[in-house]
Amino acid sequence: EPEVTQTPSHQVTQMGQEVILRCVPISNHLYFYWYRQILGQKVEFLVSFYNNEISEKSEIFDDQFSVERPDGSNFTLKIRSTKLEDSAMYFCASSASGRDTQYFGPGTRLTVL
Amino acid sequence: DQQVKQNSPSLSVQEGRISILNCDYTNSMFDYFLWYKKYPAEGPTFLISISSIKDKNEDGRFTVFLNKSAKHLSLHIVPSQPGDSAVYFCAAGRSGYALNFGKGTSLLVTP
Repeated sequence: EPEVTQTPSHQVTQMGQEVILRCVPISNHLYFYWYRQILGQKVEFLVSFYNNEISEKSEIFDDQFSVERPDGSNFTLKIRSTKLEDSAMYFCASSASGRDTQYFGPGTRLTVL
Repeated sequence: DQQVKQNSPSLSVQEGRISILNCDYTNSMFDYFLWYKKYPAEGPTFLISISSIKDKNEDGRFTVFLNKSAKHLSLHIVPSQPGDSAVYFCAAGRSGYALNFGKGTSLLVTP
């Protein structure tokens, strides 16, 4: 069964460093999303991406964040200068169309020290 | 701005009995509702969904009920099995837009 994959599973970084989280969505999907879950809190939407551009973003997704689809398979989330409060599980999701179910990857645990 | 609320943080049910998980939402524009199951250190796994044009959707042991007038949905698991023990998230949104998640209900099914 096709699935969303994410790498790395765990990333530890120093405050102020840049990190790139990688995702490989399901191959025939066209809509891509990033969510995050801070420990003990709910899953929060960050950004959605379609047709090589951001289609929607939350207030969390500020200028420190960017997304890219560098090739036909990867979808990346970059955090330019990490802060302590960026520590969270980051989930990538994809869907076939905007009206279809979003399928989630296993997540990347980001720890900012 | 909690648009999706799961008021029960935990639920314990005996194996073989029915588990009922509840969810309330506030945004009347939401037209798509989903339940996800999540194990620790894993991503949410899609379970079942329902669109606003229906009031019930069934898939095996899982049934989701939607009451639009009350802005309430519920997930029924019958019969409950120990392997169902996980955190269940309700999510809602407008088709094509971001999903809004509840805080989750931790279900424990005891033998």
